[in-house]
Order: sequence, then structure tokens, then C-alpha cells
Amino acid sequence: AQSVAQPEDQVNVAEGNPLTVKCTYSVSGNPYLFWYVQYPNRGLQFLLKYITGDNLVKGSYGFEAEFNKSQTSFHLKKPSALVSDSALYFCAVRALLSGGSYIPTFGRGTSLIVHP
Amino acid sequence: SQTIHQWPATLVQPVGSPLSLECTVEGTSNPNLYWYRQAAGRGLQLLFYSVGIGQISSEVPQNLSASRPQDRQFILSSKKLLLSDSGFYLCAWSGRMNTEAFFGQGTRLTVV
Repeated sequence: AQSVAQPEDQVNVAEGNPLTVKCTYSVSGNPYLFWYVQYPNRGLQFLLKYITGDNLVKGSYGFEAEFNKSQTSFHLKKPSALVSDSALYFCAVRALLSGGSYIPTFGRGTSLIVHP
Repeated sequence: SQTIHQWPATLVQPVGSPLSLECTVEGTSNPNLYWYRQAAGRGLQLLFYSVGIGQISSEVPQNLSASRPQDRQFILSSKKLLLSDSGFYLCAWSGRMNTEAFFGQGTRLTVV
């Protein structure tokens, strides 16, 4: 089964410091990987994706993610955190169902808290 | 550009009452459509997905049903709500290449 794991329920970082939110994946074949952000009582917003090509993917709001095939990881990063980055972050993978359809499958989410 | 509309934003319903949540997508054709439920502000549980009109797949047995009467319309329903149906419901769509998904604003359902 194709899945992603987010090992941290919560990440705390001081404003201005770099941040990393971790994600590992389990996929047969080439993975399609995604990051989303969710603010309270809102839907998820797409941040970035990796399908093929450069292992460092840049996305919205200054976020980037590094695809590492040997470590099966796709960690989300930002060089300098802002208080407004505080939110719930989801890693996702495109998973193939038995019926032949692909669906987005999400990790449990990591709460990012940026302290002033 | 594509947009997704989901309503209502909040809903309080008594136990045993019916439910209808609607989701529509604009600016695209033949989208894949999804209904998710999010409990306690955390993980997403896929409830239903649809790859075409009238084609509904259910991922978990439950008190809910879904329908897709038009290409860009996805409806989540229940005949009789249970307390356990309370949660945050999210509609989403993705293109035929099944890459990124785009979400509606969500519906906070409280069953009392």
C-alpha cells in the first residue's frame, strides 16, 4: 500500500529560524509527493509537489521540499520561519487503489508552531 | 481559473435529521471529486471519490452516501444523522492526471 508518514505531531521553532517538517513515504514505483497547509477551520491549500526532475522543489510562501529517494523522504523546509506560518501541514502521496484509480492519500499532519 | 465551492460553512443538525452538503467546481471538466472527513483537527479520512457522473466509490462503511448528478457537482448526504457524524467535511477535486488536489473551505457539522 502506498502511504506517507509524518513522525512529528508538533514542531516548534522560533521566528526567523529555519524550519523542517518531516515526511517519509512508502510507494511502489515513482512517487508523486505533495505538501499542503491548513489554517484553522479552513480547507487545505496546496504548497508544492514532486513528480520528477530536480530533487529540490520550490513552492508557495517561500517553502521548499527536498526529495530523497535513498531515504524515501520528502521533508518540507523554509529558511526563515514566520509566525504566520503556524498551521497544520500535511504530506500526501498519489496512491493507486485496487480499482485502478489514483487518489490523494494524506499523512496525519504536523502542527507547526512558530514562536515570536 | 478553477474554483471550488462548498457550503454551508457551518451546520448544526439534530440527531436523526437528514443531511445534504453540496460541492461544485468551476473552470474544469471531468474532475475527480472527493469527500473527506477530518476529526479533531487532524488526519483526513477519505469517505467517497468519483471519477465521473454517477460513479461513486466508498472507502468506509458509514451512515453517509454521495452522489454526482452533474460533472462538477458532488453531494454528501445522510438520511438520519448520528452523533458520530459530527466533524469537519472537506470536498476536493483533482485533474485527470491525479496530481495535486484543491479543497473547498470545509463544512463544520455538529450533530446535537
